[in-house]
Amino acid sequence: GAVVSQHPSWVICKSGTSVKIECRSLDFQATTMFWYRQFPKQSLMLMATSNEGSKATYEQGVEKDKFLINHASLTLSTLTVTSAHPEDSSFYICSARGAAESGNTIYFGEGSWLTVV
Amino acid sequence: DAKTTQPPSMDCAEGRAANLPCNHSTISGNEYVYWYRQIHSQGPQYIIHGLKNNETNEMASLIITEDRKSSTLILPHATLRDTAVYYCIVRDRTGNQFYFGTGTSLTVIP
Repeated sequence: GAVVSQHPSWVICKSGTSVKIECRSLDFQATTMFWYRQFPKQSLMLMATSNEGSKATYEQGVEKDKFLINHASLTLSTLTVTSAHPEDSSFYICSARGAAESGNTIYFGEGSWLTVV
Repeated sequence: DAKTTQPPSMDCAEGRAANLPCNHSTISGNEYVYWYRQIHSQGPQYIIHGLKNNETNEMASLIITEDRKSSTLILPHATLRDTAVYYCIVRDRTGNQFYFGTGTSLTVIP
């Protein structure tokens, strides 16, 4: 299947700083990528849909100025958590929609653990 | 926004078939049923998807009822590595977002 890679796998940052997480589709082009957040023992929560070359679409309740999303190429989307606080500590997961030949299946990255101290 | 309901947890003996049910009574005609699983601290892994016919691949089989209001994921010979949370999701093939429900936590017992 298609491969989606995230970097870093885990990161620790100080409160008030910003941290960037990258999501790459390694063997296919993805015009659309998605960002999720998952707290311990909970399900994945969709944060936003990232479209190449245009602004991201955020789910209700997700602050677009806090979670900056950039999708500058067909293989890379980035999520920047700005002015991070301890409550932003979570597991962040990206996904990308594959080509029509694969049934537009969505493939997920390995996830990135963010800890804000 | 999840359109599916699944039992919260299930156990299965190693080597036996694991049958995971999913209800999606409001599914529309152009929506597919997708199954993913998430092993602890990893991203979800694609398993299988289908529209109305039963599907089989190297990982699992998907049985969809004739009225399409429910489906069952079958892992034919469960192993300890199949212990994970399994998510059933319905989605329009051309649609984008995946909304996750609570999934079923499957524990394979030695």
